[in-house]
Amino acid sequence: EVQLVESGGGLVQPGGSLRLSCTASGFTLSDHHIDWVRQTPGKGLEWVARSRNKARSYTTEYAASVKGRFTISRHDSESSLYLQMNSLKTEDTAVYYCARYNSNFYIEYWGQGTLVTVSS
Amino acid sequence: IQLTQSPSSLSASVGDRVTITCRASQGISSSLAWYQQKPGKAPKLLIYSASTLQTGVPSRFGGSGSGTDFTLTISSLQPEDFATYFCLQCYTYPLTFGGGTKVEIK
Repeated sequence: EVQLVESGGGLVQPGGSLRLSCTASGFTLSDHHIDWVRQTPGKGLEWVARSRNKARSYTTEYAASVKGRFTISRHDSESSLYLQMNSLKTEDTAVYYCARYNSNFYIEYWGQGTLVTVSS
Repeated sequence: IQLTQSPSSLSASVGDRVTITCRASQGISSSLAWYQQKPGKAPKLLIYSASTLQTGVPSRFGGSGSGTDFTLTISSLQPEDFATYFCLQCYTYPLTFGGGTKVEIK
């Protein structure tokens, strides 16, 4: 069974940093592209970043809103993927999901999400 | 690419036929998926490639469209279908979502 479990969310002050983790099971992480998607009541769902699979050399993509502040990395041997978030802003407050992408142009599996709150 | 989803909410009764539309600001071929989300839960994939039913999803759900105009249809609404529905385009970066349609009990 494919599972994705996020962790690392919490309360952080504006300007601070946080690292989210995504632990995968039930499949070989290196074979798949993984996305981070966030959700807020006001702005809805927003795609944040992508880590492509080993075959695509683990290249990355970022939304303009987080580029230069967020960095995605992975440790396939640990079946884990990370989202390092720096220079956090109040507008980064959201539930963050990691999700497995299917090469036929859709997100197939989602984790349960982890809440990040940026507030003083 | 912007996805405009309509309506943003609707009220319907059990057994009703429900139609939700998603319009893309430019052509996205068939690279559109539909999701159902219930409060406090992750989105659940219903339809991919605009019209392909995900394994395990009831056949009352159907998708159609290509290019810029897409439709999600629930042929006979069931009690467990009251939820919020989203579309997602994966044609190009950045991936974008529709604003969602909340389906409520009439």
